Amino acid sequence: GQNIDQPTEMTATEGAIVQINCTYQTSGFNGLFWYQQHAGEAPTFLSYNVLDGLEEKGRFSSFLSRSKGYSYLLLKELQMKDSASYLCAVRGGSNYQLIWGAGTKLIIKP
Amino acid sequence: ETGVTQTPRHLVMGMTNKKSLKCEQHLGHNAMYWYKQSAKKPLELMFVYNFKEQTENNSVPSRFSPECPNSSHLFLHLHTLQPEDSALYLCASTPHGVQGNEQFFGPGTRLTVL
Repeated sequence: GQNIDQPTEMTATEGAIVQINCTYQTSGFNGLFWYQQHAGEAPTFLSYNVLDGLEEKGRFSSFLSRSKGYSYLLLKELQMKDSASYLCAVRGGSNYQLIWGAGTKLIIKP
Repeated sequence: ETGVTQTPRHLVMGMTNKKSLKCEQHLGHNAMYWYKQSAKKPLELMFVYNFKEQTENNSVPSRFSPECPNSSHLFLHLHTLQPEDSALYLCASTPHGVQGNEQFFGPGTRLTVL
């Protein structure tokens, strides 16, 4: 079957660094996505990885290892506004549909 | 108005009612999606329209009926729903059809079925 796993909830301190992991098992692979969703709002796109390695975009970085079926989202210099759910999604086979994880709720404490 | 918009933002309906959710985008995108989001569960893809043609119907009950009259508008018609259908319904769109990388989401309709 197809499966995306990520931790349900994480807590971190303002100014610190946090890494949110995502593991996946899918039939086919055509890219991995990270989205941010604040409570009561729409998910917004953060990053896209299709090749192995690290993609850096400001305070956020995303890493992919296709051989391990593993990705992480790294958030640096955490701010209170980073409190949100972070959704991992994999585009599987030929139909381009996204398979979504349940999301990781990140709580930032002062 | 820019981005993806959805109306209404909140909806409460009885099990015998008929209502419709509306999604609109003027981004020039060619693919549009309906998702269901329930608490602590992954997003569930319900329907996909690619260049106005329905390409996916992921085993969604017939009490949900989509309509895509043009590439900018998407509707979800609801009738005889069940309490377990209460959820956040999200619309999304992508440029360049379903092969587009970034999905742009609307704010969602919070549906409560009594």
